[in-house]
Amino acid sequence: SAVISQKPSRDICQRGTSLTIQCQVDSQVTMMFWYRQQPGQSLTLIATANQGSEATYESGFVIDKFPISRPNLTFSTLTVSNMSPEDSSIYLCSVVLGGLETQYFGPGTRLLVL
Amino acid sequence: TQLLEQSPQFLSIQEGENLTVYCNSSSVFSSLQWYRQEPGEGPVLLVTVVTGGEVKKLKRLTFQFGDARKDSSLHITAAQPGDTGLYLCAGGDGNKLVFGAGTILRVKS
Repeated sequence: SAVISQKPSRDICQRGTSLTIQCQVDSQVTMMFWYRQQPGQSLTLIATANQGSEATYESGFVIDKFPISRPNLTFSTLTVSNMSPEDSSIYLCSVVLGGLETQYFGPGTRLLVL
Repeated sequence: TQLLEQSPQFLSIQEGENLTVYCNSSSVFSSLQWYRQEPGEGPVLLVTVVTGGEVKKLKRLTFQFGDARKDSSLHITAAQPGDTGLYLCAGGDGNKLVFGAGTILRVKS
């Protein structure tokens, strides 16, 4: 398995500001993903973070709103830009080890936008 | 886009009871995974099934993958309060996972 950490674990932000979430993995991984989750609900994939190239975004998510960096094989950041209360959610990163069948998640970042 | 329908959405049972959660699709998946998530934490992988008809057991949890690899079930025997959480199924769809809507399980002592 992999040990995945996220920073911050939670934050309360004002609308119009931006927050950058960090995801650190204890081993080199090829694939990393960013998800959004409303409490008690399922996960929605935001994008795939590709090392050395631009992230691949899912329908409904755009780079201007959720810019992603992937400078190396153990680290990625997701920025939530120009936040509104609708962005209040849990943001999770995940990594793939040994194939898509094995995906591990970070503990999540709980964001509240006022 | 492949879709996974998960049922029931919510389940509240007494300690010691049995339960089954279902995950169904009209599409074939290369693999299917089950996760459990507790409040304040990320989802934790319970099991991955890849072969049609496969059955895997994890203590009191039994996971089954349908013969056609379109559906799966999770059966919990003699549920305990520690089983409380959000259960998610996820199917392999090319280079990403498709998640079901989730089942919130509450086991009362």
